[in-house]
Amino acid sequence: GAGVSQSPSNKVTEKGKDVELRCDPISGHTALYWYRQSLGQGLEFLIYFQGNSAPDKSGLPSDRFSAERTGGSVSTLTIQRTQQEDSAVYLCASSSPGLLNGYTFGSGTRLTVV
Amino acid sequence: DQQVKQNSPSLSVQEGRISILNCDYTNSMFDYFLWYKKYPAEGPTFLISISSIKDKNEDGRFTVFLNKSAKHLSLHIVPSQPGDSAVYFCAAFEGGGSNYKLTFGKGTLLTVNP
Repeated sequence: GAGVSQSPSNKVTEKGKDVELRCDPISGHTALYWYRQSLGQGLEFLIYFQGNSAPDKSGLPSDRFSAERTGGSVSTLTIQRTQQEDSAVYLCASSSPGLLNGYTFGSGTRLTVV
Repeated sequence: DQQVKQNSPSLSVQEGRISILNCDYTNSMFDYFLWYKKYPAEGPTFLISISSIKDKNEDGRFTVFLNKSAKHLSLHIVPSQPGDSAVYFCAAFEGGGSNYKLTFGKGTLLTVNP
């Protein structure tokens, strides 16, 4: 597609439930990133996928968070047993290798855990 | 430990005047810096970047200055326009174009008053 697409745009869930957030990157972009922005905070790195390499999961805040990228394209970020502190805007971005102009971000998924 | 710091949460300027947004970093291994602009309910969009081998990069109304010895960079917008009102994020990464994970500041909300 023309841009990075994320769904849903908004998600309200009850504490303890699992959620799945989807990211559809720009076609041909081999790198995919997940970030989140909590209220009053900057963008926090979560996970990075590059081609067929093992993902860099060093930013995932706990083992309740996981992500996968199928076929080198669409990615799903899963949060199990959601907590109120998971409330944030989850942003996905993609880029092609060697591109020094940063990434292209999606519009994000606003997750609210009640 | 915040490696990229934007110490001013907000800035207000008059239309037509200069806006100066500041950013400091602590990691001397950072060698590429970017500014992103974010409107509400949208993902960040790339604005301008600078390599550590330069001290200035200009693109239209936007100029980024880098002072490596001070570990400081700034974004100048001249002349400022109401449409520039947004949150501006400073970001940095290591690797000289490896296009890996970016470290972001917390952002500065710029308001340009007509």
